[in-house]
Amino acid sequence: DIQLTQSPSFLSASVGDRVTITCRASQGISSYLAWYQQKSGKAPKLLIYAASTLQSGVPSRFSGSASGTEFTLTITSLQPEDFATYYCQQRDTFCLTFGGGTKVEIK
Amino acid sequence: QVQLQESGPGLVKPSETLSLTCTVSGGSIGSYYWSWIRQPPGRGLEWIGYVYYSGSTKYNPSVKSRVTISVDKSKSQFSLKLTSMTPADTAVYYCARGTGTTALDYWGQGTLVTVSS
Repeated sequence: DIQLTQSPSFLSASVGDRVTITCRASQGISSYLAWYQQKSGKAPKLLIYAASTLQSGVPSRFSGSASGTEFTLTITSLQPEDFATYYCQQRDTFCLTFGGGTKVEIK
Repeated sequence: QVQLQESGPGLVKPSETLSLTCTVSGGSIGSYYWSWIRQPPGRGLEWIGYVYYSGSTKYNPSVKSRVTISVDKSKSQFSLKLTSMTPADTAVYYCARGTGTTALDYWGQGTLVTVSS
């Protein structure tokens, strides 16, 4: 099974900061990697799919990139509404898998 | 606007079977993958499985022996059955729509299922 390892698992940042979250796959995967934002008590919200395509309605400060088995979510200027937990997710032949999550908190 | 709504019991006894239904409105159930995902309290997301609109299914190996997901196109619903429930199955259960890239673009609000006697 393919594992997704997110880092960091927790980060503390200030409004206006540039934030980068990494998701590493245990083996090569297709570009079918997605990123989600989840706020407390709410369902996850799709931010990015196919590694780098912004979902409709998502602010352009969010972006995704890929290099081999390493995928990155970047928030260029953190806003108060961005404090949440972020998950990556991939699909392989057998399964959909989520990363363990990265909680972004206010410094 | 596509909307998904989970329905089912909030409390299940150990060893019993959980049955949840997700009703899809505002869009067609055709040509999409319909997934169930769960999240134990304070923990991360776990994909349970999906049913394609044609009826074909794929399940997480961790629950494969206990799970059945089916679709009823006439009612725009899909359902989850999970047998032999234990307290470890206590979680918020979400239904979601998957696209061709299997990104999950629409989610239900989630329903908390507690397993307790």
